[in-house]
Amino acid sequence: GESVGLHLPTLSVQEGDNSIINCAYSNSASDYFIWYKQESGKGPQFIIDIRSNMDKRQGQRVTVLLNKTVKHLSLQIAATQPGDSAVYFCAEMGPQFYFGSGTKLNVKP
Amino acid sequence: DAGVIQSPRHEVTEMGQEVTLRCKPISGHNSLFWYRQTMMRGLELLIYFNNNVPIDDSGMPEDRFSAKMPNASFSTLKIQPSEPRDSAVYFCASTLRGANVLTFGAGSRLTVL
Repeated sequence: GESVGLHLPTLSVQEGDNSIINCAYSNSASDYFIWYKQESGKGPQFIIDIRSNMDKRQGQRVTVLLNKTVKHLSLQIAATQPGDSAVYFCAEMGPQFYFGSGTKLNVKP
Repeated sequence: DAGVIQSPRHEVTEMGQEVTLRCKPISGHNSLFWYRQTMMRGLELLIYFNNNVPIDDSGMPEDRFSAKMPNASFSTLKIQPSEPRDSAVYFCASTLRGANVLTFGAGSRLTVL
């Protein structure tokens, strides 16, 4: 399973730069993955999803990459904006419902 | 739709007291999840229901925790007696069974003194 973190890893980027957030998952049987964004004081919100039969999916300013060989997901955010500052979680949404420990994205203006 | 509605948003109670957290899922959603979030352990799945039936409660920490879903529009998570280590933000989420895109409520922040 995921490691238990005493603190969230933080990624600091300059406004306008691209951000890459990484995540390792544990269950090779997982067939559906979602990236969630959590702003302070709010619940996680859906950003983008990907099924295990795909290796890449693009949305508006976001791209998710899936490498099943090494059980790794990444979220790429293009032209990062201050409003992107939040904690980002990858989640295995089938057959288990398991969230990663999260990465805090800090966007510097 | 107003989204997933949780109450109370904040609760402060003393050790030993009973705590009841409430959730109203999105109308039409037939799967409901309870998560607990702490800095130490992140988001932990406590229990989830499909069509009001508990499917997996293996994440419920101990017998002090119980969850019910008496109908499709209401669920409760009860802690009795509460302990300081139960302090956390408790999230409820719902989805259409099989869709698996969870819509979360705003959470209930519980502080047990």
